[in-house]
Amino acid sequence: AQSVTQPDIHITVSEGASLELRCNYSYGATPYLFWYVQSPGQGLQLLLKYFSGDTLVQGIKGFEAEFKRSQSSFNLRKPSVHWSDAAEYFCAVGAYNFNKFYFGSGTKLNVKP
Amino acid sequence: SAVISQKPSRDICQRGTSLTIQCQVDSQVTMMFWYRQQPGQSLTLIATANQGSEATYESGFVIDKFPISRPNLTFSTLTVSNMSPEDSSIYLCSVPDPGTGAYEQYFGPGTRLTVT
Repeated sequence: AQSVTQPDIHITVSEGASLELRCNYSYGATPYLFWYVQSPGQGLQLLLKYFSGDTLVQGIKGFEAEFKRSQSSFNLRKPSVHWSDAAEYFCAVGAYNFNKFYFGSGTKLNVKP
Repeated sequence: SAVISQKPSRDICQRGTSLTIQCQVDSQVTMMFWYRQQPGQSLTLIATANQGSEATYESGFVIDKFPISRPNLTFSTLTVSNMSPEDSSIYLCSVPDPGTGAYEQYFGPGTRLTVT
């Protein structure tokens, strides 16, 4: 069965520090992987996606993610966090042919001044 | 990409009543999806709405409780029927990329429902 695990519920980092948010997935075929961000009171915004090819993908707002098939992971990274990055981040896997998405439980990011 | 609007943005309803949420997309799309996000939780797919056919519901969701309409390729409604406090959630609609048909989904801003 498809599933997505985000082991960190809350993360706090200082502004300017680097960030890595973890995501592990379980999926029986080639996964389509996504990271979304949800700011308070807002909908979900797509940060980046992986379908195939280069396993290091670049997204908006300076984020990147690396697909590691051997580890079933798709971790999100940012070299220097800004206060405006404080939000909740969701990892998702898309089911081929059916457009169904399975979301992780989310990671809330707090940014200290 | 797609621009999606939802109405209402929020509402407070009494238990036992029903609320219909509207989702409007700026492009024609075959599929539309409805999700529920309970407080502090992740998103759970309620159903997939295809124009011209009945919606397909996920396990744990039934048509009597969450009837869906899809009258055309840019619009859908989700009704939350006979509401209870457990229905207090954010309800979001989403669509696949209308231009490429690729698998990323674009989300509306959500409807925040509180049931008292």
